[in-house]
Amino acid sequence: DADVTQTPRNRITKTGKRIMLECSQTKGHDRMYWYRQDPGLGLRLIYYSFDVKDINKGEISDGYSVSRQAQAKFSLSLESAIPNQTALYFCATSDASGYEQYFGPGTRLTVT
Amino acid sequence: GQNIDQPTEMTATEGAIVQINCTYQTSGFNGLFWYQQHAGEAPTFLSYNVLDGLEEKGRFSSFLSRSKGYSYLLLKELQMKDSASYLCAVRSNPTGGGNKLTFGTGTQLKVEL
Repeated sequence: DADVTQTPRNRITKTGKRIMLECSQTKGHDRMYWYRQDPGLGLRLIYYSFDVKDINKGEISDGYSVSRQAQAKFSLSLESAIPNQTALYFCATSDASGYEQYFGPGTRLTVT
Repeated sequence: GQNIDQPTEMTATEGAIVQINCTYQTSGFNGLFWYQQHAGEAPTFLSYNVLDGLEEKGRFSSFLSRSKGYSYLLLKELQMKDSASYLCAVRSNPTGGGNKLTFGTGTQLKVEL
């Protein structure tokens, strides 16, 4: 079984809809991250959490919110989706050293 | 802020050696990572450098010069399966704490026969 899972893997939604992307991990890591990847822009950090009670904004948090429901679960929400949020979204985890990040398989989101 | 530059695309021949360069500007440098990402898949960790010098791991090696803000990833004995995007990522620990990882836009490597 995969150590980091993301659901859904693909999603098409309409402008203005609320959508939640979920991430679960079985690695026992405290740190979890949400990135988006766009062609030509690379991976950009949206939010990160160093433990259940710690949530931090990344470089592109506007339009997104997160919830750390448990050590193993970190959800990303788009309250009112817009077309420029169409992207590939990755969840990642790391231990306290932050040495290596383990990525989930990604969620391809399309906002029409 | 941070700035990471790497070439957009490179092409090399199967069995050859290729070097992918990465330059960066950052405050609070705390390590440089290389990740491999095949199309449509998640990035996977390749290497980590925090001190100057060369780190070797099988066919892959990574070099770091902190004074020059420069790293390279060296791939030897190229195989077709090495065709992928290679992401340079810099970890920084700016004032205020909390290590952050910033990725470059990636170098798309195509290995040809």
